Parts: sequence; structure tokens; C-alpha cells
Amino acid sequence: DAGVIQSPRHEVTEMGQEVTLRCKPISGHDYLFWYRQTMMRGLELLIYFNNNVPIDDSGMPEDRFSAKMPNASFSTLKIQPSEPRDSAVYFCASRESRDPVYEKLFFGSGTQLSVL
Amino acid sequence: GQSLEQPSEVTAVEGAIVQINCTYQTSGFYGLSWYQQHDGGAPTFLSYNALDGLEETGRFSSFLSRSDSYGYLLLQELQMKDSASYFCAVTGSNYQLIWGAGTKLIIKP
Repeated sequence: DAGVIQSPRHEVTEMGQEVTLRCKPISGHDYLFWYRQTMMRGLELLIYFNNNVPIDDSGMPEDRFSAKMPNASFSTLKIQPSEPRDSAVYFCASRESRDPVYEKLFFGSGTQLSVL
Repeated sequence: GQSLEQPSEVTAVEGAIVQINCTYQTSGFYGLSWYQQHDGGAPTFLSYNALDGLEETGRFSSFLSRSDSYGYLLLQELQMKDSASYFCAVTGSNYQLIWGAGTKLIIKP
């Protein structure tokens, strides 16, 4: 299996621009998570989906952030408009509900976002 | 509030044994997980403890004491490739992971 695939690997944009991050979970995995990682705040859960349905978006920092999962193999995280404080590494992770270890998440390589 | 405490940095010598501790204070507890993250890489699942005791996976072992709200990750026969950050995470009452800030393990030859 190719693992969780994220794109782009790096994104540099200017403040005010729209940013779209993409994620393809592992086939068969029915949970998908979006995380943000910074030195100051560590790993933060932004939102997660189960069977394409958003379950908990309480970690989404502001209305500027939105996430969708139109089908089982694709999800997007959009920031509009972007701000310098959004600069971080954004990870997508997935898991399979049948795995007895609920905590076993598979992470993608992440998107390093820099907002200038 | 909910919190996990782990040392920010640990230094050890190649070939030695190192222990990374994690104490937690959470509302609800289902298990303690450990993840490894190399610089520039993604977190990778290492181990999970739901019950008290020691779980061994090769050179790595993880321990949990629920009564003490404490766990640790033990790395034996350290190799340079073990240089990474190690995160503990607790599964809380809503079944979601609460993450520690991570421990940077520095290995010297």
C-alpha cells in the first residue's frame, strides 16, 4: 500500500491567498484526521471524519478553515484567507475501525505551509 | 484540564538504554500510545498499552501504570537512527488522542 498521500509537500503563499491541502487516505481506512504541528503548540487535531462524515471540528481554529471529504479516497483542508500564523506542518492521518488498536494512526508525509 | 508531561530532551549514548517517561492527567483514560517522529518526517506508531504492565516489541518496550497515571518508553541497544522525537498520547474519554509535547532523543556516538 502507498500509505497516506498528501499534496503538496511544500506550499509557500502570501497572506490573504487561498490554500488547499489534499489527502488520500489508505484504502479501506474509514477514519481520516487532519492535524497541525507547530513548535509552540505541538500536534493539534483540527477535524476528523468517519465514513466521509465530519465528526468533530472543534479543533478548527477559525471560520477561515474548512475541510471536506467528498468520497472515501479524498479529503481537502482549505484556508481562506491565509495568515502568517497559519504557517505550520499539516498532517493527514487515517485509521481502520476494525483495527483493535484504536490509537494506531497512519500519518502522511505532511504539508509544510509557509504564509508570508 | 488535561495534560501530559514528558521531558523535552533526553541524551544517551549509542548502545545504551534510555527511558522516556510520561505522566498524564486526563478526564477518562483508555490507553497510552507512543509515536516516533524523525526530523522532517511524520509521526509513526510504536506501541500501545491499555493495561498495566510491559509490552515489548523488539528493542522497544512500553510500560503503563494506570494507578500512577504514568508510563514510559524504553529503548535498548540504542542506534543512531533512533535519534528522533518521541510522543506519548492518551486516549481520553471521547476516544480521541491527547498528545504530549514530545521528547527529543539525542544519541551520541
